[in-house]
Amino acid sequence: ILNVEQSPQSLHVQEGDSTNFTCSFPSSNFYALHWYRWETAKSPEALFVMTLNGDEKKKGRISATLNTKEGYSYLYIKGSQPEDSATYLCAHSDSSYKLIFGSGTRLLVRP
Amino acid sequence: SQTIHQWPATLVQPVGSPLSLECTVEGTSNPNLYWYRQAAGRGLQLLFYSVGIGQISSEVPQNLSASRPQDRQFILSSKKLLLSDSGFYLCAWSVGTLYEQYFGPGTRLTVT
Repeated sequence: ILNVEQSPQSLHVQEGDSTNFTCSFPSSNFYALHWYRWETAKSPEALFVMTLNGDEKKKGRISATLNTKEGYSYLYIKGSQPEDSATYLCAHSDSSYKLIFGSGTRLLVRP
Repeated sequence: SQTIHQWPATLVQPVGSPLSLECTVEGTSNPNLYWYRQAAGRGLQLLFYSVGIGQISSEVPQNLSASRPQDRQFILSSKKLLLSDSGFYLCAWSVGTLYEQYFGPGTRLTVT
């Protein structure tokens, strides 16, 4: 994998459903993996920054895991709420100062 | 606390006109600074980043340029805009690669 790839591109779920998205990234020269939430008409907001293989992070109903050896990260949302509707971006960095973003997963939670 | 400002919020410019977007950060010193663009239907693309005054790295060859005249000021410019320059421009800062980036409110640029 040469670029950061996210799937699915979009997702529609019912309120209360749990869901997860995937982020695939180059596993060589790994430095950090970032997750951001981008709500409409707002700026992207950081959720997690993960650096170690096997890292798991949690913030409320949202959690993320990291596998640097195989180059993937999962973002989980438990019991989705309408306010979780947003685009979720992941970004990968190597030893340089820049982040390479995926194209995002657009989540719509129906009440 | 740290804040990041961007202006203007929206801009409509004719093809061939110049551009200057400004970004300033308050409450931190020597931040890494970034310019991103989201074109219609596309993801977030890194345009420039800077790790210090006068140090600019360009990621995408194009008719845009960036400058960092002061520690917490980052400017995106163009001498002649193209239609393809339309998009949503975001400035961001961080204290380092291992830390989250904080984004400004963005500028919606429409080139007509």
